[in-house]
Amino acid sequence: DAKTTQPPSMDCAEGRAANLPCNHSTISGNEYVYWYRQIHSQGPQYIIHGLKNNETNEMASLIITEDRKSSTLILPHATLRDTAVYYCIVSIGGANSKLTFGKGITLSVRP
Amino acid sequence: DGGITQSPKYLFRKEGQNVTLSCEQNLNHDAMYWYRQDPGQGLRLIYYSQIVNDFQKGDIAEGYSVSREKKESFPLTVTSAQKNPTAFYLCATSDRGRLDEKLFFGSGTQLSVL
Repeated sequence: DAKTTQPPSMDCAEGRAANLPCNHSTISGNEYVYWYRQIHSQGPQYIIHGLKNNETNEMASLIITEDRKSSTLILPHATLRDTAVYYCIVSIGGANSKLTFGKGITLSVRP
Repeated sequence: DGGITQSPKYLFRKEGQNVTLSCEQNLNHDAMYWYRQDPGQGLRLIYYSQIVNDFQKGDIAEGYSVSREKKESFPLTVTSAQKNPTAFYLCATSDRGRLDEKLFFGSGTQLSVL
């Protein structure tokens, strides 16, 4: 699976959009981009995933560049409860895949 | 996740003792995983199982053992050979064979050494 690079931390104001970047320059054509988040002392929670097209669900939007070498997770209206570690993962998916979680990016939402 | 139950939430191990962490799921998922998380670090894969009676080593399997006798259960034993067992342990499941496979996690077990 391709490796991902995320900055260690970022913050944003409550009510503003949080844009979390991720680089995955070695991604291959059949690898998905996944985002998970982990609130302190809990198990990670799936947020969203995509292959080529931009995706949106009730939690967030995922923007993947045309060359697929980077992506951005957007939380449109961040709240204090969105303070967490966010993991960007690239994987082929399916029965033989193993999602590998790096250190992620710590998002701090300030009042 | 409500469909995955990890117990106990906190566990203490004495020197030379084996301890077993429980993971039960009612999601009817084929695949189950065990991860270890140290403070400030990401998750590292210990073992995983794609079907009953079969499992594979992950990246850090030494000092751990597992069994998969039932689809619903995937217990992890931390043996005395694991010299630094203090960590947060997470169990996860996924639908095997789906191309857009995603993981569902339990709430974790914090293991500490006395």
